[in-house]
Amino acid sequence: DTGVSQNPRHKITKRGQNVTFRCDPISEHNRLYWYRQTLGQGPEFLTYFQNEAQLEKSRLLSDRFSAERPKGSFSTLEIQRTEQGDSAMYLCASSLGPAGASGNTIYFGEGSWLTVV
Amino acid sequence: QKEVEQDPGPLSVPEGAIVSLNCTYSNSAFQYFMWYRQYSRKGPELLMYTYSSGNKEDGRFTAQVDKSSKYISLFIRDSQPSDSATYLCAMTLSYNTDKLIFGTGTRLQVFP
Repeated sequence: DTGVSQNPRHKITKRGQNVTFRCDPISEHNRLYWYRQTLGQGPEFLTYFQNEAQLEKSRLLSDRFSAERPKGSFSTLEIQRTEQGDSAMYLCASSLGPAGASGNTIYFGEGSWLTVV
Repeated sequence: QKEVEQDPGPLSVPEGAIVSLNCTYSNSAFQYFMWYRQYSRKGPELLMYTYSSGNKEDGRFTAQVDKSSKYISLFIRDSQPSDSATYLCAMTLSYNTDKLIFGTGTRLQVFP
């Protein structure tokens, strides 16, 4: 396995449409994270999973956003009724252990760019 | 006020220069500190991890933490054009937390 894989890499959608992004983490990693990054800003935490359980959600994750990780493998992030403010890069990451622990490197994917027109 | 502040740059330096990148933070509870490098249109990659005040060196990179001043730095020696990227500081509250708080990033350009 060469790393965290995200699809699609780019998505242009009309306002009001639904979009779904997929993330395939590094195979042995039990932790999976979603972050959002806008131009000129650092990544902002959205949510994370330990195996299939979603353990924390940011207030940034409005009710139009939903993330799943069935069977503790790949994950999907769906945005319903997209708005122009949702335009951003959505980053997926995975790790073996907690983000704060030495040796538990969080590996990021290359991101999925969303443009809402 | 953001929890973590970083000068956005761009910082432009000649090849071979020593680069200093800095972050300040407001929450004294932050315990673990990281520096990530992000090339254009790519995901961030971890460069350095530190958890105590003082210096940590890895090749051309040195990370410095001053918890009393709530200030962290990354020094790059003998900078190369390939170092041109955005450098993000990140931090967490505890050993077993899973949420990273990132700075806004500093864009670095190293010209030949």
